[in-house]
Formats: sequence, structure tokens, C-alpha cells
Amino acid sequence: DIQMTQSPSSLPASIGDSVTITCRTSQSISNFLNWYQQRPGKAPKVLIYAASNLQTGVPSRFSGSGSGTDFTLTISSLQLEDFATYYCQQSYSRPPWTFGQGTKVVIK
Amino acid sequence: QVQLQESGPGLVKPSQTLSLTCSVSGDSLSRHIYYWSWIRQPAGKGLEWIGHISGSGGTNYNPSLKSRVTMSVDTSKNQFSLKLSSVTAADTAVYYCASELSVGVIVIFDYWGQGTLVTVSS
Repeated sequence: DIQMTQSPSSLPASIGDSVTITCRTSQSISNFLNWYQQRPGKAPKVLIYAASNLQTGVPSRFSGSGSGTDFTLTISSLQLEDFATYYCQQSYSRPPWTFGQGTKVVIK
Repeated sequence: QVQLQESGPGLVKPSQTLSLTCSVSGDSLSRHIYYWSWIRQPAGKGLEWIGHISGSGGTNYNPSLKSRVTMSVDTSKNQFSLKLSSVTAADTAVYYCASELSVGVIVIFDYWGQGTLVTVSS
């Protein structure tokens, strides 16, 4: 299975900050990487697919980049509703699909 | 707009079989661009993909759970189901059903149910 490592696990930030979350994979996955946001008590919601494509309806302050084994999710100008947990997910080649362990963005 | 809703017992005894159903509205299970997945999340932890099934019944399971998992689909009811046998406390989690969309070769979980908590306890 492809292992996913996210960092940091917790990210203190303030409203208006720009924050970056990193996801590293155990093998090259081209751009087969998605990012999800999960608010407490809710199901995850896809933000970015294929590493850098913004899902319809997602604010433009979210952006993704990377390929191969190293990926980033950036939130520019953090809003109150962005304090949540973020997961990366790979879909390279064949199942099982795997997720990172999550990064929780918390209020500083 | 696709909507998914999980249903099933919230409490299962150790060694028994966990059974959940996901009802889908707003789309047909038979659409070829979709697989239908189960994903679980223990309290305070990350997400684990359990497996998926196509509208025609083709399956893939996570190797870590494969020996205990069975998925099925009922296109007449637009539902798909999960059975997980020989459960232990480690299987206590929120279980989500989700649609698995292929955008070219990229797989996205685009619609999710609200999740249902299943507790394994005697």
C-alpha cells in the first residue's frame, strides 16, 4: 500500500494567515492526489483533485500543488470556517486508496 | 445532487457481524462512472478506505480487512451494503458511505453520507 505522511499534525494559525500543509507519499503517484476538509461531526468534503484542480464551489483561497511524492495544500487568508482538519488521499494505479493522517488547523 | 444515507445497528457485540446499508438518491447505482465506497473513521483518528463496489457488483477490498468484508449492491432499491464479520473493539468507528467518481484516471470521493457510529461492545 502507498503510505501517506502529512505534516504538521496540528497547525496553529490566526484569521487572515496563509498556511501550508504538506503531504508526502511513499512512492511516486504523479498527480493522483486529492485534498479534503472535514469539520467536526461532518463528513469530509473534497477541495482539490488531481493535486491542483479546485473542486467546483470551493473558494479560490484554497490551492494545491505538487507531483511525484511531495504535495502541498495552501490556504491563503484563513477564514473562521477554515479551522478544520485536512486530509490528503491518493488514487494511484489501483486500490487500496489511502489517506494521510490529517492536519488540524487550530486557532492560535 | 446525489445524497447518501447510512443505516444499521449502532451497537454490535464482539465476534458478531456488523451490517450497514447505504441508500442512494439523486442518481442511479448503475452509472458506470461511479464506484460506491465504505470508509471508516475511529474517534479522533484518520480515514480508512474499507472497499468499494460497482453497480454491476464488482468489488475491491482493503487487504487489511479483506478476509472479513463483504459488499453487495441492490440496484432495484438503489442501495449498497457492507458486512464486516468477527468484529472487535478496534472496529468501533464512524462508518461513511461515499460515491467514488472517476475523473479521467483520478478517483474522487465526491458525495458522502452523514456517517453512522458503530460501537462494538458487549
